[in-house]
Amino acid sequence: GAVVSQHPSRVICKSGTSVKIECRSLDFQATTMFWYRQFPKQSLMLMATSNEGSKATYEQGVEKDKFLINHASLTLSTLTVTSAHPEDSSFYICSASPSNYEQYFGPGTRLTVT
Amino acid sequence: DQQVKQNSPSLSVQEGRISILNCDYTNSMFDYFLWYKKYPAEGPTFLISISSIKDKNEDGRFTVFLNKSAKHLSLHIVPSQPGDSAVYFCAASASQGGSEKLVFGKGTKLTVNP
Repeated sequence: GAVVSQHPSRVICKSGTSVKIECRSLDFQATTMFWYRQFPKQSLMLMATSNEGSKATYEQGVEKDKFLINHASLTLSTLTVTSAHPEDSSFYICSASPSNYEQYFGPGTRLTVT
Repeated sequence: DQQVKQNSPSLSVQEGRISILNCDYTNSMFDYFLWYKKYPAEGPTFLISISSIKDKNEDGRFTVFLNKSAKHLSLHIVPSQPGDSAVYFCAASASQGGSEKLVFGKGTKLTVNP
């Protein structure tokens, strides 16, 4: 149980284009989902907290107009990287929580912007 | 300001011996602590957690100890196995209206040698 999927697992896009990443909780409902970014050899950095049916809460320094988050249902959240640039290349990971504390993570999406 | 610190970026142990991974935190509001295991290019996998009302939690080969006065927790793996080789992240959460927001350490890379 508590499986979270992400799609796609890898994506390469050209600079200036937009990319959408999906995060799904497969066997539980998640009122809250989280989006993280991981740079090489660095920790997971929380980007935003996504609540179903409401606007996402972004961490300080994260551009909400660049990283659009939509939590359409209790099992789906999407992250859209708009007008992507090479510095947006990173490993993006989502998580979802069926309870108050545990978070279960997706397998991550490797984004490469050329 | 790093609220969760894992001061050892790497640790190497022999198979069958004990692995001890350490984590320190500065925020006294943290009341729930988790350990995650992560392989390259994958999302973190939840290992074990502990509430601040406890000082020890055990699950099979994994035991987490919490010393609130020292703001320190540790993960013990006994006996260590080569398959345990991965990066281990310590994470902490505070009961801020059930926000479930996790703060991660930078991780410790564990290598278990056969």
